Amino acid sequence: EAGVAQSPRYKIIEKRQSVAFWCNPISGHATLYWYQQILGQGPKLLIQFQNNGVVDDSQLPKDRFSAERLKGVDSTLKIQPAKLEDSAVYLCASSLASGVEQYFGPGTRLTVT
Amino acid sequence: GEDVEQSLFLSVREGDSSVINCTYTDSSSTYLYWYKQEPGAGLQLLTYIFSNMDMKQDQRLTVLLNKKDKHLSLRIADTQTGDSAIYFCAESWERDDKIIFGKGTRLHILP
Repeated sequence: EAGVAQSPRYKIIEKRQSVAFWCNPISGHATLYWYQQILGQGPKLLIQFQNNGVVDDSQLPKDRFSAERLKGVDSTLKIQPAKLEDSAVYLCASSLASGVEQYFGPGTRLTVT
Repeated sequence: GEDVEQSLFLSVREGDSSVINCTYTDSSSTYLYWYKQEPGAGLQLLTYIFSNMDMKQDQRLTVLLNKKDKHLSLRIADTQTGDSAIYFCAESWERDDKIIFGKGTRLHILP
């Protein structure tokens, strides 16, 4: 079974630029999560989708971050404009509906200079 | 409030047992997890325990839960070099709910 795929793996941008990350969850997984992991900390949830609907986006900085999952499969996370403090690893995870285990992708490491 | 605390570092000799401790603040948490993160890799679920259990064993891993003290521990028996990683304690309220992670404990294996 293929795991959660993410791209790109690494991205370096200057502050105030825009960036987008892509995630392809495990086939059949209805729930998709985006987490932000700042160096030295644990992951923090940004947004959770159930199929193509948003379940929880309370921690998403909506003035600069946006995410979508239009067809209930792939998802994109966008940052516009980026700030220095957005430097982090962005992890995508997926799970079966009502599943306990979340399966994580390898992450995208973003460096904002 | 939501908070998961764990020590940042642990050094253990190869072959010894490792014990990683964690405390959490939310007594309504239903699921408590241990995730492992190796360098450059995503997180891997090692094991989880329901809040109505006090112990779970899976091969070399033993999870102990003291719900009264909100204390969770992970014991790794016969620690190997491949166990070197960051271990995250985490909690959630329901299945497929968001997971609240601690900052992680870096386990270093001494030869």
